[in-house]
Amino acid sequence: NAGVTQTPKFQVLKTGQSMTLQCAQDMNHNSMYWYRQDPGMGLRLIYYSASEGTTDKGEVPNGYNVSRLNKREFSLRLESAAPSQTSVYFCASKGGGTGGYTFGSGTRLTVV
Amino acid sequence: KNQVEQSPQSLIILEGKNCTLQCNYTVSPFSNLRWYKQDTGRGPVSLTIMTFSENTKSNGRYTATLDADTKQSSLHITASQLSDSASYICVVSRGGSQGNLIFGKGTKLSVKP
Repeated sequence: NAGVTQTPKFQVLKTGQSMTLQCAQDMNHNSMYWYRQDPGMGLRLIYYSASEGTTDKGEVPNGYNVSRLNKREFSLRLESAAPSQTSVYFCASKGGGTGGYTFGSGTRLTVV
Repeated sequence: KNQVEQSPQSLIILEGKNCTLQCNYTVSPFSNLRWYKQDTGRGPVSLTIMTFSENTKSNGRYTATLDADTKQSSLHITASQLSDSASYICVVSRGGSQGNLIFGKGTKLSVKP
């Protein structure tokens, strides 16, 4: 099983450009999440989707939009990138109950 | 305020030695506590998960403890290996709605030969 797959792994954007980060999971998990990880800080939740067709804001949603395309895929879009969005972005999925979260390997985004 | 504090921030040990990482939390309502290992350039990988009623859980050379009364957890690594070099993140899950994970900042462990 591939688990959680994120693309791209690295990206450099200019301020104001837009892009979409892709995430797909093959574990038939209902819940999917987008986090950002910044130096010296814990992971922070941007958006999550408890099930196909639903999305909710997390702790730091400003400047982002998401789409739960189907059960497998959950994308994160930056409409107008800002330097403050330079970060490492992780997608995660979770099965039911107290099942663990499975994380992707991350997308390192730099906005210049 | 819901917080997870980890100590030390970083740690260097020699291969073969044991070490213990600490996690204190002020999260309510508490659902469970997880320890993750994050290798450089990779996503976090789950090591253990403990609910309120569990005191100890092991995963190979990793043993996690939980004291729900004092709101403290520890992760003990036995007979460290070079491959243990990573960041170890304590994560507390709040009861209730989805997405309620509170992440610590992690302890960066370096194991030297």
